[in-house]
Amino acid sequence: NAGVTQTPKFQVLKTGQSMTLQCAQDMNHEYMSWYRQDPGMGLRLIHYSVGAGITDQGEVPNGYNVSRSTTEDFPLRLLSAAPSQTSVYFCASSYGGGPTDNSPLHFGNGTRLTVT
Amino acid sequence: RKEVEQDPGPFNVPEGATVAFNCTYSNSASQSFFWYRQDCRKEPKLLMSVYSSGNEDGRFTAQLNRASQYISLLIRDSKLSDSATYLCVFQGASGSARQLTFGSGTQLTVLP
Repeated sequence: NAGVTQTPKFQVLKTGQSMTLQCAQDMNHEYMSWYRQDPGMGLRLIHYSVGAGITDQGEVPNGYNVSRSTTEDFPLRLLSAAPSQTSVYFCASSYGGGPTDNSPLHFGNGTRLTVT
Repeated sequence: RKEVEQDPGPFNVPEGATVAFNCTYSNSASQSFFWYRQDCRKEPKLLMSVYSSGNEDGRFTAQLNRASQYISLLIRDSKLSDSATYLCVFQGASGSARQLTFGSGTQLTVLP
């Protein structure tokens, strides 16, 4: 199994550009999510999904869109990149997504994004 | 008060030492607790869940103190390979989906 696959690994954007970070999992996981990780801060939830066709906002959703048309894929779109979006982005999935679900989160390798 | 407070370290310890980290949380409704490990420039990976009665996994012991709202991780007989950042994670029970809150991590370096 490939697990959670994220692409690209690195990206440099100019302010105002848009792009999509790809995330795919082959574990038939219900729950998928996007986090950003900044120095000195914990991972912060951007958006999440508990199944195909269902998405919701996390702690820091502004400037990002997501969709979940299939169980496997959960792309993250940056609409108009800003320097404040320079960060490391992680996609993560788990078997269940209910409020008491304890299944481990499986993370992708991360995307290092720089916005100049 | 931050939702999660974690001593960032760094903790520099010699091989074979015992080291412990604490992590406090402010949301008393938190119901599930975890420790994740993150190697430098890599993704986080689950180290262990934390159960109410405390639990061990080899050299690692996790404990929960609900009254004081903290969890701890004890590493015995430290190995060079234990060098990493350790993230505490809390899960709330409100809403219709799991809500995980991550600490900013404690950096551990085990020295030869």
